[in-house]
Amino acid sequence: KAGVTQTPRYLIKTRGQQVTLSCSPISGHRSVSWYQQTPGQGLQFLFEYFSETQRNKGNFPGRFSGRQFSNSRSEMNVSTLELGDSALYLCASSGGGGAETQYFGPGTRLLVL
Amino acid sequence: QKEVEQDPGPLSVPEGAIVSLNCTYSNSAFQYFMWYRQYSRKGPELLMYTYSSGNKEDGRFTAQVDKSSKYISLFIRDSQPSDSATYLCAMSLDQTGANNLFFGTGTRLTVIP
Repeated sequence: KAGVTQTPRYLIKTRGQQVTLSCSPISGHRSVSWYQQTPGQGLQFLFEYFSETQRNKGNFPGRFSGRQFSNSRSEMNVSTLELGDSALYLCASSGGGGAETQYFGPGTRLLVL
Repeated sequence: QKEVEQDPGPLSVPEGAIVSLNCTYSNSAFQYFMWYRQYSRKGPELLMYTYSSGNKEDGRFTAQVDKSSKYISLFIRDSQPSDSATYLCAMSLDQTGANNLFFGTGTRLTVIP
């Protein structure tokens, strides 16, 4: 079974731009969560989608948004990029159960200059 | 104060050594405790999952939870170079979703052949 895939793997943007990241979950998984990982803060929860509906949201500004499509693929968008948005963005999918049942993708490394 | 504190290391040990990784936490309501392993350029993968206090063993890995001290540990016996990775602790209040999962910042481990 193919794992969680994320595209692109690396991105370089400049302040003020916007970016869209994509995540394809494991086949059959309907829950997709997004995390931001930085050395200082570790993994921080951004949002979770289930069957195209946002189920939970973390404490991030409204510049961070996401959506999920009918095939469970998910995208997250960050508008008006700031230097502090430089991070590894991880997507995780789950077929049900608790958060411990999540499988993580390899992440998209975003660098904002 | 962060919910979960983890020494970032880095930690270098010779092959065959016993490794001890630790996390402390502040919220006594945490009930589920996890350890993830993250290789370079990869997403985290679940290594150990425990509920409440006590020990859990899986091969060379032992997870220990002391809720009275709000302290969890991961022990790696007979460490191998393939164990070189960043280890993340995580904990949650319940099993309802990813929004209730709190991560440490990770400890980078290098096992020297």
